[in-house]
Amino acid sequence: AQSVSQHNHHVILSEAASLELGCNYSYGGTVNLFWYVQYPGQHLQLLLKYFSGDPLVKGIKGFEAEFIKSKFSFNLRKPSVQWSDTAEYFCAVAISSGSARQLTFGSGTQLTVLP
Amino acid sequence: EPEVTQTPSHQVTQMGQEVILRCVPISNHLYFYWYRQILGQKVEFLVSFYNNEISEKSEIFDDQFSVERPDGSNFTLKIRSTKLEDSAMYFCASGRLAGPNEQFFGPGTRLTVL
Repeated sequence: AQSVSQHNHHVILSEAASLELGCNYSYGGTVNLFWYVQYPGQHLQLLLKYFSGDPLVKGIKGFEAEFIKSKFSFNLRKPSVQWSDTAEYFCAVAISSGSARQLTFGSGTQLTVLP
Repeated sequence: EPEVTQTPSHQVTQMGQEVILRCVPISNHLYFYWYRQILGQKVEFLVSFYNNEISEKSEIFDDQFSVERPDGSNFTLKIRSTKLEDSAMYFCASGRLAGPNEQFFGPGTRLTVL
């Protein structure tokens, strides 16, 4: 079965610092990759997704992620974080062969940005 | 902007009782999902639903669980006889299309089993 690993459980940064959150998955076939964010008290929202094509994808709020197939990775980056980026970030993978695609989530990374 | 809604936001129940968690997916979506997150653990897939039947289910989704779309609007998750270990946040999600597709999540229902 597929799995997703997020290596950083809690990251603390100062405003304007650069961010990179790691995500690795285990599956040898074709994958669809997602980053979701959950702000305090809110529901999961999609930040960005990769299906095919350019492995560098740009999402909302200045986030981007790079799919490196050889490393089974899909790391999330932002050049300069803001206090409002404080949230929990989840990487997810979809690989089902059925018509509905279940998501397999990583354990999440709590990002705290200090003002 | 349309959103997935879930009720109640928090449900407290006694062990052995039945609970029904309710979700209203986005109106033109055709694919529906339930996930759960036990405190401190990963978000886990439970079940997907399309065309009035289950498409996929995980090993968590045993005979104690069932889903239904009773009226073309609501999408419910029933747990027949709750156990302590069913305590978790339950998320409903919906998607417009099959295949590579974004799933839109609701705010979740926190289920506490005493």
